[in-house]
Amino acid sequence: GENVEQHPSTLSVQEGDSAVIKCTYSDSASNYFPWYKQELGKRPQLIIDIRSNVGEKKDQRIAVTLNKTAKHFSLHITETQPEDSAVYFCAASISGGSNYKLTFGKGTLLTVNP
Amino acid sequence: GAVVSQHPSWVICKSGTSVKIECRSLDFQATTMFWYRQFPKQSLMLMATSNEGSKATYEQGVEKDKFLINHASLTLSTLTVTSAHPEDSSFYICSARDLYGPYTFGSGTRLTVV
Repeated sequence: GENVEQHPSTLSVQEGDSAVIKCTYSDSASNYFPWYKQELGKRPQLIIDIRSNVGEKKDQRIAVTLNKTAKHFSLHITETQPEDSAVYFCAASISGGSNYKLTFGKGTLLTVNP
Repeated sequence: GAVVSQHPSWVICKSGTSVKIECRSLDFQATTMFWYRQFPKQSLMLMATSNEGSKATYEQGVEKDKFLINHASLTLSTLTVTSAHPEDSSFYICSARDLYGPYTFGSGTRLTVV
């Protein structure tokens, strides 16, 4: 089955700096890679996703890059703000059928210091 | 957008009793429901996948007789934790999707077994 590795497990940055979180996946059939933000006791919220036919996607301060050959994908947050502090999870799946499950990374606790 | 309602949001029960958690898709037909368990400071671990009208598929290590899943309609799935024990205390989250849509998460249920 799919295995998703996520690094780092914790990340502390100063407000205004950039944050980068990296993930690798093992199943070359995976073609859908979402990123979730989870605040304590809350549901995961989708913040951005990318499909394997695209190498990069950007949404305001958030961007995701995908290297299919290396099976790497990364989350980039620019101009970080204290409200960006949360746990971030990467995930991988095969799209195209409702049964395909998401496999999550172990998460990154991001702390943005004012 | 797609909404999944999960109830209860928190529950405290005595050891040995059973607890039922409900997830409803409010504005789409949930072809597939996924049930996750999340321990403090850990990632989401998939427990089982269920399709409407079919038996759930459980992940390795998850006791199907202890965690009963029913997906009787395209809008409702339930997870019953039978004979709950303190080690079952956790955050349980459902996720639903239709054939091609995104994974939509419920708000989670905090279960405490005393």
